[in-house]
Amino acid sequence: ETGVTQTPRHLVMGMTNKKSLKCEQHLGHNAMYWYKQSAKKPLELMFVYNFKEQTENNSVPSRFSPECPNSSHLFLHLHTLQPEDSALYLCASSQGLGTYEQYFGPGTRLTVT
Amino acid sequence: GESVGLHLPTLSVQEGDNSIINCAYSNSASDYFIWYKQESGKGPQFIIDIRSNMDKRQGQRVTVLLNKTVKHLSLQIAATQPGDSAVYFCAEKTGANSKLTFGKGITLSVRP
Repeated sequence: ETGVTQTPRHLVMGMTNKKSLKCEQHLGHNAMYWYKQSAKKPLELMFVYNFKEQTENNSVPSRFSPECPNSSHLFLHLHTLQPEDSALYLCASSQGLGTYEQYFGPGTRLTVT
Repeated sequence: GESVGLHLPTLSVQEGDNSIINCAYSNSASDYFIWYKQESGKGPQFIIDIRSNMDKRQGQRVTVLLNKTVKHLSLQIAATQPGDSAVYFCAEKTGANSKLTFGKGITLSVRP
């Protein structure tokens, strides 16, 4: 295991639902990330947090709302999603924002119906 | 725009053979590169990294080669095993605080 856990592993939600994805890292890292992985597309960075502060929002629609209460936990709140938001959502962490490898969780497979 | 890409979408190799997975990058200012492996149902797993001041780095059964002249990165896997079957991604970083940019991935399939 990588030391990064994500829950739930699978999620099916309707377009009017509100749900949250959770990520926790047990590595003592300071930076955390949300990525979207769609079929046949490169990993897309969504958000970056460093020491609980958001440092990057990669033009993500407001229906995705991140929250980072501390350096070990990261949430992605979802509301009024679209079917095209169906994807694998991956959380990652790294020691810092510099040239450090990122450790990924197993992802949450999200299906929007 | 700048991009990281992979030459081939799939690679099939015989068990025991060596595998070479190639990656082209277009940003000559990139100074850090990573290879990840993603097995079905799992997140990407770090394999090996290399900084631009090096041209070769070896790990356990894996070697990464960096050719800055032609902006080419390769991952060599020695004595490929069935457990090596996965999707492999290269990623680049340009500057200490820049984001990682990932390629699309290539599927490695190991024939028994």
